[in-house]
Amino acid sequence: AQSVTQLDSQVPVFEEAPVELRCNYSSSVSVYLFWYVQYPNQGLQLLLKYLSGSTLVKGINGFEAEFNKSQTSFHLRKPSVHISDTAEYFCAVTPNSGGYQKVTFGIGTKLQVIP
Amino acid sequence: EADIYQTPRYLVIGTGKKITLECSQTMGHDKMYWYQQDPGMELHLIHYSYGVNSTEKGDLSSESTVSRIRTEHFPLTLESARPSHTSQYLCASSDRDRGHYGYTFGSGTRLTVV
Repeated sequence: AQSVTQLDSQVPVFEEAPVELRCNYSSSVSVYLFWYVQYPNQGLQLLLKYLSGSTLVKGINGFEAEFNKSQTSFHLRKPSVHISDTAEYFCAVTPNSGGYQKVTFGIGTKLQVIP
Repeated sequence: EADIYQTPRYLVIGTGKKITLECSQTMGHDKMYWYQQDPGMELHLIHYSYGVNSTEKGDLSSESTVSRIRTEHFPLTLESARPSHTSQYLCASSDRDRGHYGYTFGSGTRLTVV
């Protein structure tokens, strides 16, 4: 079984400032990792994913995340946020073995960009 | 444009009513999922399907049922709605061979049972 911990429920940040949203996971096996974004009254949209290879993953809208296996972390970063980045962000993990594997989501982090 | 559609977006219904939440996708994905989302809680998988005529219960005990008669359609039915069913329901899909590459989600149905 795996679990996901998003350490901050809310993160306020001023426009054009950098932001980091933290995600830690636990799993007894190797995993795939994901970040999703949910805008108000919308479903979740895939931002980026780590499957293998380079530990720095770039996604849409200028976001990137770094996989750190020793710290079991997958923090999401953006060097300069925009008002339109105000949304809720979900980290997710799933075992990287074949067949159906459960995807475990975190409880989400609300990013509030302040003008 | 390939996408996944959920209807209705919002629904307020009385206790005891039967309701069906619709979910359709145009991407030809084999795998489809229903999640329940409540504020401050992780998403809970309530049903999933690997393909036509395949349905499985997820982790969260649910009084709902699903069917998968066509690849593109995965409706969720509550036979008798109760206030405890008030929640947001999200439908998602993934490609059979690329399920680990992420899900495509619909916009959700926000259900309120009064």
